[in-house]
Amino acid sequence: TQLLEQSPQFLSIQEGENLTVYCNSSSVFSSLQWYRQEPGEGPVLLVTVVTGGEVKKLKRLTFQFGDARKDSSLHITAAQPGDTGLYLCAGARGSGNTGKLIFGQGTTLQVKP
Amino acid sequence: NAGVTQTPKFRILKIGQSMTLQCTQDMNHNYMYWYRQDPGMGLKLIYYSVGAGITDKGEVPNGYNVSRSTTEDFPLRLELAAPSQTSVYFCASSYGVEQYFGPGTRLTVT
Repeated sequence: TQLLEQSPQFLSIQEGENLTVYCNSSSVFSSLQWYRQEPGEGPVLLVTVVTGGEVKKLKRLTFQFGDARKDSSLHITAAQPGDTGLYLCAGARGSGNTGKLIFGQGTTLQVKP
Repeated sequence: NAGVTQTPKFRILKIGQSMTLQCTQDMNHNYMYWYRQDPGMGLKLIYYSVGAGITDKGEVPNGYNVSRSTTEDFPLRLELAAPSQTSVYFCASSYGVEQYFGPGTRLTVT
């Protein structure tokens, strides 16, 4: 059972375009994270959102946590080839006393120059 | 500060062989994890540990074993390799929920 569904699974766009990646669940999470993974490397944490409705910005990336803490979105403005990679959302449930995360299946983003 | 290191980077095993994937972290994190990543499937948790001497099963533990004798090290053991274990394996560590990943081990079982 996939508790976190990401969409789209694959996205190919031209440099300069905007895009949004979605991460949805029927479960409530105490926090949600977004990671980026480049080929041949491990995932790298981009952001953690904790409060329902929270919005965080990281340069051209905007992350939002849903009001009910069941979903999240990642919006990239004016995408660049350097944004190419696999984007993973991951949710923590409960008190987080084990640090365990549930990962979505990922969104592969390709930004063409 | 090297973070999380994994060895080897690549390995080819024959069916039935055994091997140990090594993982070491120098951030003094209590929590450590092993994941496998298959194409289009995200990350699946194999085993995790909340501290030295404590380990527990994750989502896909069959065919694997772990030990945690020190805070720094969390090796993953494959006893009888099977083609279904062909995957990329990632080790991670954390203080809370924000995890730090190693570079991965690409394992092929033929």
